[in-house]
Amino acid sequence: DTAVSQTPKYLVTQMGNDKSIKCEQNLGHDTMYWYKQDSKKFLKIMFSYNNKELIINETVPNRFSPKSPDKAHLNLHINSLELGDSAVYFCASSLRQGEQYFGPGTRLTVT
Amino acid sequence: QKEVEQDPGPLSVPEGAIVSLNCTYSNSAFQYFMWYRQYSRKGPELLMYTYSSGNKEDGRFTAQVDKSSKYISLFIRDSQPSDSATYLCAMAANTGKLIFGQGTTLQVKP
Repeated sequence: DTAVSQTPKYLVTQMGNDKSIKCEQNLGHDTMYWYKQDSKKFLKIMFSYNNKELIINETVPNRFSPKSPDKAHLNLHINSLELGDSAVYFCASSLRQGEQYFGPGTRLTVT
Repeated sequence: QKEVEQDPGPLSVPEGAIVSLNCTYSNSAFQYFMWYRQYSRKGPELLMYTYSSGNKEDGRFTAQVDKSSKYISLFIRDSQPSDSATYLCAMAANTGKLIFGQGTTLQVKP
């Protein structure tokens, strides 16, 4: 009965590869997010979707493309992976302003 | 200047101590103020949520917001070793976009 789940938990890949991370929430929330947490634990928003519509799109390289097939799912596809993409990626969902529930994270390592 | 400033610590206290964690911010449009707790290798979990100046208490935790000084605090009473984690303040205006502080690492020693 996990509220926000992500797969995979760990992802190790080489530079230049393309990879996807999947997120699902069973909380019935309308809004979902992708965050990136760097090695210094700084958490920064990347994208937000409300009911399958993109509402926040931060200054993120266009190698990153989010996709929301329905309001319970938000996936993140990354093309041509670079060393600097190594980080922990968190999915989150919310019902009201500020009150966000985070998934367990996907630890991406690019070699 | 960052929109939200938070001392990363680390902060080490003995069990039973009162812990005070703080953040300052520069954006007057922030209306929602949150504290998240993040254990090592886990996702952040919402601890406290406030949208007005003043205090909010939940068990051993008290969140304080002073909008006039652009300053928020989290107090932990009777701290326990299980409170050892990174505490992240976060704020939002009406855009729904959360801006996080860098996080303060807390260690409570038995």
